[in-house]
Amino acid sequence: EVQLVESGGGLVQPGGSLRLSCAASGFTFSSFWMSWVRQAPGKGLEWVANIKQDGSEKYYVDSVKGRFTISRDNAKSSLYLQMNNLRAEDTAVYYCSALGYSSSWHFRYWGQGTLVTVSS
Amino acid sequence: SYVLTQPPSVSVAPGQTAKITCGGNNIGTRSVHWYQQKPVQAPVLVVYDNTDRPSGIPERFSGSNFGNTATLTIARAEAGDEADYYCQVWDSSSDHVVFGGGTKLTVL
Repeated sequence: EVQLVESGGGLVQPGGSLRLSCAASGFTFSSFWMSWVRQAPGKGLEWVANIKQDGSEKYYVDSVKGRFTISRDNAKSSLYLQMNNLRAEDTAVYYCSALGYSSSWHFRYWGQGTLVTVSS
Repeated sequence: SYVLTQPPSVSVAPGQTAKITCGGNNIGTRSVHWYQQKPVQAPVLVVYDNTDRPSGIPERFSGSNFGNTATLTIARAEAGDEADYYCQVWDSSSDHVVFGGGTKLTVL
């Protein structure tokens, strides 16, 4: 059974930092592009970042460029999101996802999410 | 950047067919994916590449994509289909993912 389990969320002050983790199991983690997607309270889905299987390619939504860093450790089947200089508008549930590809990229597997609250 | 437009809400009677649209410029030339999200749950992929269903998704869920509109069709709607539905494409020109704003489906 595929499992993606996020952790590391919590309450942080504006300007602070947080590191999210995602532990994967039930599939060959090193064979998949991975992604973070977030959802602000009461709002829709917003893609945050993608990372290639070997970590050599990374893509970010413009609003987090220079502040967030996606990374992975294939030996530990883990995905990470380092979030610096956090803003109130970063408050959201952050989902870890494994990407599928046939004609184009889609989010094949999802974790249950971890809540990040940025507030003073 | 590429924009996907969905109606905020759609209502359907039980047993009838619900259609949720996703509009975008020449979206018919792209592959569209659809997600179902029930309250306090993670999204679930229900249709990918316009028309394909992951294993475990009922045949009642189908998709189409022509011109400027992609459509998710849910046949014989059930109370358990009540959820938010999101369309998504990959914008290869920017290597960015784009989601529609989401549609709340009510079965009443």
